[in-house]
Amino acid sequence: RKEVEQDPGPFNVPEGATVAFNCTYSNSASQSFFWYRQDCRKEPKLLMSVYSSGNEDGRFTAQLNRASQYISLLIRDSKLSDSATYLCVVNMNYGGSQGNLIFGKGTKLSVKP
Amino acid sequence: EPEVTQTPSHQVTQMGQEVILRCVPISNHLYFYWYRQILGQKVEFLVSFYNNEISEKSEIFDDQFSVERPDGSNFTLKIRSTKLEDSAMYFCASSRTEMNTEAFFGQGTRLTVV
Repeated sequence: RKEVEQDPGPFNVPEGATVAFNCTYSNSASQSFFWYRQDCRKEPKLLMSVYSSGNEDGRFTAQLNRASQYISLLIRDSKLSDSATYLCVVNMNYGGSQGNLIFGKGTKLSVKP
Repeated sequence: EPEVTQTPSHQVTQMGQEVILRCVPISNHLYFYWYRQILGQKVEFLVSFYNNEISEKSEIFDDQFSVERPDGSNFTLKIRSTKLEDSAMYFCASSRTEMNTEAFFGQGTRLTVV
């Protein structure tokens, strides 16, 4: 069973569109949740952490539903520069573990003019 | 802005050879990690390192792999006898505290085993 699953994508949207990504995780003991962004052949970069209460950062809104083990990311008014692969990431962070990050395979977003 | 730096950016090696990938984590960070990403696949955890010892490792991190912090700044990943399937992008990451799991990634070393 895959630990973190995401929409396969790719998502091809026009500039200004709103796009939503979904993610599910299999281990209910997961403690921390993130969305990372990865440009082609580059390193992952933290986009935002995800909290149960939901959180917003400008055009980006993340939601977490622990009961359903479901995480979402909403991008409003998408820009050309939003084109990237969006990685759903979970951290176990329990016991003596430093909490290795468990990555989803990512969803590719392409924003067109 | 502080960043994690990795060298080299690209390494080509023959199967069976040893390689050492180098990383300089952010200076006030205490936790260090190696991840790898095979082309077209997801980022996978290899190992975490704290207080000069391995704190966690994945199934991928077998006896062919080792890590070391030889001085106060460098953090290295050694692959003793490379295999074709070791070809991947290797990312070093560091974080400040255990509870702060925001990990900052280096730009990666692309390892090609031929």
